[in-house]
Amino acid sequence: DADVTQTPRNRITKTGKRIMLECSQTKGHDRMYWYRQDPGLGLRLIYYSFDVKDINKGEISDGYSVSRQAQAKFSLSLESAIPNQTALYFCATRDSRAETQYFGPGTRLLVL
Amino acid sequence: GENVEQHPSTLSVQEGDSAVIKCTYSDSASNYFPWYKQELGKGPQLIIDIRSNVGEKKDQRIAVTLNKTAKHFSLHITETQPEDSAVYFCAAFVAGGGADGLTFGKGTHLIIQP
Repeated sequence: DADVTQTPRNRITKTGKRIMLECSQTKGHDRMYWYRQDPGLGLRLIYYSFDVKDINKGEISDGYSVSRQAQAKFSLSLESAIPNQTALYFCATRDSRAETQYFGPGTRLLVL
Repeated sequence: GENVEQHPSTLSVQEGDSAVIKCTYSDSASNYFPWYKQELGKGPQLIIDIRSNVGEKKDQRIAVTLNKTAKHFSLHITETQPEDSAVYFCAAFVAGGGADGLTFGKGTHLIIQP
């Protein structure tokens, strides 16, 4: 969905490096999410945010941090990347008045 | 918390045949059930959803059925076409639930054989 954009789309980094994945949305939604997708494991929630001042840990938050700079922007950081963080990362948004989440196109991350 | 099981993990059908993907959920308070389609290189896209006050919903070649008593719901695709090849995810939503209410199944890789 072009209303939810993620940068970069692909990233290769080395073990121990700090990297940031960014998500922007023009849908005007208040809630934003970061998921990780691994083959056979589906979509696992890393962090989610109800608004700029409300951040919550998801199922697998260890090794990750987030920042909600504005209602439209939600960034995911890997403070010290490790190889098992190699995965596909998705951002999603939701209007708190509805249940449907809308996903971005994803960022493919490879940690060497 | 909610647990969503999805089967099968891989499904191969001949073009033109029907495909059925099944999901079960554990929390009887779940009241919204979306299905997402993820094509290669793209993010999941909502294709159909159903609420707990409805037993069946149809949109052209796709339909979803819900059995609240048994706590399972299914996606049905008829007259499958090559463009139906993708990974499909089911999910269950419960207001006020953990993970902001939405729990996903692990996905089904649907392969349409020509």
